[in-house]
Amino acid sequence: NAGVTQTPKFQVLKTGQSMTLQCAQDMNHEYMSWYRQDPGMGLRLIHYSVGAGITDQGEVPNGYNVSRSTTEDFPLRLLSAAPSQTSVYFCASSRGGTSGTGAFGYTFGSGTRLTVV
Amino acid sequence: AQTVTQSQPEMSVQEAETVTLSCTYDTSENNYYLFWYKQPPSRQMILVIRQEAYKQQNATENRFSVNFQKAAKSFSLKISDSQLGDTAMYFCAFVMDSNYQLIWGAGTKLIIKP
Repeated sequence: NAGVTQTPKFQVLKTGQSMTLQCAQDMNHEYMSWYRQDPGMGLRLIHYSVGAGITDQGEVPNGYNVSRSTTEDFPLRLLSAAPSQTSVYFCASSRGGTSGTGAFGYTFGSGTRLTVV
Repeated sequence: AQTVTQSQPEMSVQEAETVTLSCTYDTSENNYYLFWYKQPPSRQMILVIRQEAYKQQNATENRFSVNFQKAAKSFSLKISDSQLGDTAMYFCAFVMDSNYQLIWGAGTKLIIKP
């Protein structure tokens, strides 16, 4: 089925470890983004990309790194995991790119629950 | 700064009743898009309904409708004939035209009782 695929669904890390959360979409969407969801809060934007080779920071970028070498993939790297990064992570994509995304809506992956101990 | 406020952390209604979830937002922009997303226990984010700010007509999707009051910056969601499958977290969000960042409310937990 077409959509946004996130892997893994669950992950436990030790403090200081690094890892990469994978996100892939097969809809040829220009825009891709990473959000984190914490209890009692709405989603917060970590990083986003409006096309291959273009990335930018969102609201909470510290401790995370991204790259966009292809239209389909947008991995999120945790450089040195900290307990404060325990959260649920969502990848979202949209057909809109530099012209904005609101007119097209967003497709979300199923999320990754990350626990850092 | 743009913000979204959902003043009801949790609501509970009987099956088949009508329920309204409230959402207010703050922006100085004139053109933007508003969304209601549903997040069931499966964690998947599901788009319920979308509204373009330049359209005065309220959006409807089957049992779901909104009351969009642009001057008051209010965007409430009405669920008619509620069903057990409507039990979920509901998030209100908006994005400004020609922008990318969805601004989210903290969510309302809706429980539909049999």
